[in-house]
Amino acid sequence: EVQLLESGGGLIQPGGSLRLSCVASGFTFSNYAMNWVRQAPGKGPEWVSLISGNGGSGGSTYYADSVKGRFTISRDNSKNTLYLQMNSLRAEDTAVYYCAKDGSIFNPFEYWGQGTLVTVSS
Amino acid sequence: DIQMTQSPSSLSASVGDRVTITCRASQRISSYLSWYQQKPGKAPKLLIYAATNLQSGVPSRFSGSGSGTEFTLTISSLQPEDFATYYCQQSYSTPRTFGQGTKLEIK
Repeated sequence: EVQLLESGGGLIQPGGSLRLSCVASGFTFSNYAMNWVRQAPGKGPEWVSLISGNGGSGGSTYYADSVKGRFTISRDNSKNTLYLQMNSLRAEDTAVYYCAKDGSIFNPFEYWGQGTLVTVSS
Repeated sequence: DIQMTQSPSSLSASVGDRVTITCRASQRISSYLSWYQQKPGKAPKLLIYAATNLQSGVPSRFSGSGSGTEFTLTISSLQPEDFATYYCQQSYSTPRTFGQGTKLEIK
């Protein structure tokens, strides 16, 4: 059974930093592209970032314009863990952050974690 | 960026009704289109991928059609557990974008 478990969310002041983690189980983590998707209160989902698996471009990364230069996605295949380093946080980054596993490019966001809440406020 | 536009934004229907939700892409995306269902406080759940393929475990009353720029999600006979918000999403290019959502409510 595929499981994705996020952690690391919390209350942070504007300008601060936070690192989210997502521990994966139930599949060969290194083979699959992984994503971070966020959802602000009362809004629809917004894709944040993607990192390819070994079968793709070997760890290539992609970002939404809204986070480019501030957020960094990474993975540690030995620990089956996905990360999102978030710097220079803004109030508009407040959201539930989900990690999501791709099945393939035709089958994105096949599985989702339960999410972790990030609140940026003074 | 590819814009995804859903219609309607909200919909009232009764148990047993057949409902259709439409999603339009601002440019051609072949069949790189997925549909998700989301209930309050929960993560979205994949229903349909590659425009027409039913995700494993999803009831067969859900179906998808379309290619290019116009897509539809159809629920053939609404069940009480289907009242939720539905999103389309394209994976043709990054940024991967979602529609604004369709909230399906009980009439």
